[in-house]
Amino acid sequence: EAQVTQNPRYLITVTGKKLTVTCSQNMNHEYMSWYRQDPGLGLRQIYYSMNVEVTDKGDVPEGYKVSRKEKRNFPLILESPSPNQTSLYFCASSLAEGLAIETQYFGPGTRLLVL
Amino acid sequence: QKEVEQDPGPLSVPEGAIVSLNCTYSNSAFQYFMWYRQYSRKGPELLMYTYSSGNKEDGRFTAQVDKSSKYISLFIRDSQPSDSATYLCAMSRDSWGKLQFGAGTQVVVTP
Repeated sequence: EAQVTQNPRYLITVTGKKLTVTCSQNMNHEYMSWYRQDPGLGLRQIYYSMNVEVTDKGDVPEGYKVSRKEKRNFPLILESPSPNQTSLYFCASSLAEGLAIETQYFGPGTRLLVL
Repeated sequence: QKEVEQDPGPLSVPEGAIVSLNCTYSNSAFQYFMWYRQYSRKGPELLMYTYSSGNKEDGRFTAQVDKSSKYISLFIRDSQPSDSATYLCAMSRDSWGKLQFGAGTQVVVTP
């Protein structure tokens, strides 16, 4: 079954404690990205990756890091989380050419609360 | 000003009614226009997409794009309680890559 998985699904942490949210896809997609979803603001892109070792900033990259060492995995790292990073996070993947929109999948989301 | 504006609702309709959703945008470079459905505690799933202007129909769903007015719409005919969800519009310059989302409209279809 084609899918994007995220872990953990729910996380409560404290300010300054480093955390990693994992994302994995089984569709051999080149393009992967992270979004955060906040009420009234919709989904905003944090970082994206065109392929292994190729990453770039989205609209709201401050306070986040990513890495793409393997094609299937795209972890999101919060080195020093702050309360304004409390949000719902989604990982997405798709092909990187052609009608990639048709191939796009979103993960189930990770709800993060930073105290 | 946001690039994509969408009324957050909620929009409540009786079962069987037509649901009408819309978004406006400011960036004329957008070429691909998408509608996503998001159920509570789930990730968005692509419902329909349209390239450039025009209409597209898929079962009970119709998507319309008017690039001259920078306005897109989604219509759901014969709405069902299972259509209750948040509907997000999204736009992109390319067929892949960064999506610019609206805030989402919550739709409630009451039996």
